[in-house]
Amino acid sequence: QQQVKQSPQSLIVQKGGIPIINCAYENTAFDYFPWYQQFPGKGPALLIAIRPDVSEKKEGRFTISFNKSAKQFSLHIMDSQPGDSATYFCAAGLMYSGGGADGLTFGKGTHLIIQP
Amino acid sequence: DSGVTQTPKHLITATGQRVTLRCSPRSGDLSVYWYQQSLDQGLQFLIQYYNGEERAKGNILERFSAQQFPDLHSELNLSSLELGDSALYFCASSVAHEQFFGPGTRLTVL
Repeated sequence: QQQVKQSPQSLIVQKGGIPIINCAYENTAFDYFPWYQQFPGKGPALLIAIRPDVSEKKEGRFTISFNKSAKQFSLHIMDSQPGDSATYFCAAGLMYSGGGADGLTFGKGTHLIIQP
Repeated sequence: DSGVTQTPKHLITATGQRVTLRCSPRSGDLSVYWYQQSLDQGLQFLIQYYNGEERAKGNILERFSAQQFPDLHSELNLSSLELGDSALYFCASSVAHEQFFGPGTRLTVL
């Protein structure tokens, strides 16, 4: 059972455009939603994360929008650059009350290409 | 560089064999997570250790086991290897809820 569905599978955007990647989750107990960026041959790198009590979070050119009632969240990349070309993963997890979190459930990933 | 180190970088072995993957977490991180990344299954959580104790289990096969040592480094043991175990294996560490991934070990089973 895939608990986090991510779309699109691949995306090509012109430089300066705003790629949008969408994710939907099933488990309403999830309370932590990070995005990771992965370059070929590298491990996933934490990009930005959001909790369900917030509808939007911005960090630099990256923005997460969160819709709790629809169980959906998305990543927007403003003023995209060729260096942003990578695979992006959304994830969902459960935070422990005493600190820390459970293992993450990942989406299948979006291969993003930013054309110059 | 996340500060998480993994060895070896590459591992090639035969079916039926046993291998050990090693992970050193970031300084001060008590939690270690293991993940498997393959083309068909994507990134899957295997197991989590916190300060030497198993804390959570994901989709880990019975042929796989892990442990975390007093110095907080962790090892993932994979036995009776099958062709389908070929994948990238990542460990991640955290002090709170943010998980930082290592560079991974690419396992090829021939």
